[in-house]
Amino acid sequence: KNEVEQSPQNLTAQEGEFITINCSYSVGISALHWLQQHPGGGIVSLFMLSSGKKKHGRLIATINIQEKHSSLHITASHPRDSAVYICAVIGGSQGNLIFGKGTKLSVKP
Amino acid sequence: EPEVTQTPSHQVTQMGQEVILRCVPISNHLYFYWYRQILGQKVEFLVSFYNNEISEKSEIFDDQFSVERPDGSNFTLKIRSTKLEDSAMYFCASSEAQGPLMSSPLHFGNGTRLTVT
Repeated sequence: KNEVEQSPQNLTAQEGEFITINCSYSVGISALHWLQQHPGGGIVSLFMLSSGKKKHGRLIATINIQEKHSSLHITASHPRDSAVYICAVIGGSQGNLIFGKGTKLSVKP
Repeated sequence: EPEVTQTPSHQVTQMGQEVILRCVPISNHLYFYWYRQILGQKVEFLVSFYNNEISEKSEIFDDQFSVERPDGSNFTLKIRSTKLEDSAMYFCASSEAQGPLMSSPLHFGNGTRLTVT
């Protein structure tokens, strides 16, 4: 059974800091999602990646399939980045995702 | 930008009652999904739906659950006889395509918070 582990569980940063959130999973996968869950509960897909690196604005996601590890980086963090960041891997078909417990990020001004 | 919409945003029901959670996926999307998140826990996959049939479901998705696409736009999740433990946030999602290159991202709705009393 594939398990998804995220670290840290909670992260507090000062505005402007560089943030890294890590995700490890136990079996081979074809792709991985990084999701952002806002305090109100809504979920937004940030990245879906199967190899290498993707960048969108201040967000960068990397994945190493061989090491079964992915990282999400936020450069120049801002209080509006405060949210729960969730890693999820493909469990079966694309929509059958196995989710991590999430990393709660709080960015202080 | 088109979005997935879910209604209602919050539903309160009594144990044993039937509930229907509604979702309108993005119009050109072909793959539809339901997930749930019990308060304080991680999100869990319930079911995926394509071409008017279930393509995959989890152990959670037992006989009390059903999904339907009654018309060209709505995608519904029905819980026949709700239990206290069904209280959770239910998320609908859709994607345009599905394939080995996983090129089509998921789009989530804002969720329906179901409270069973």
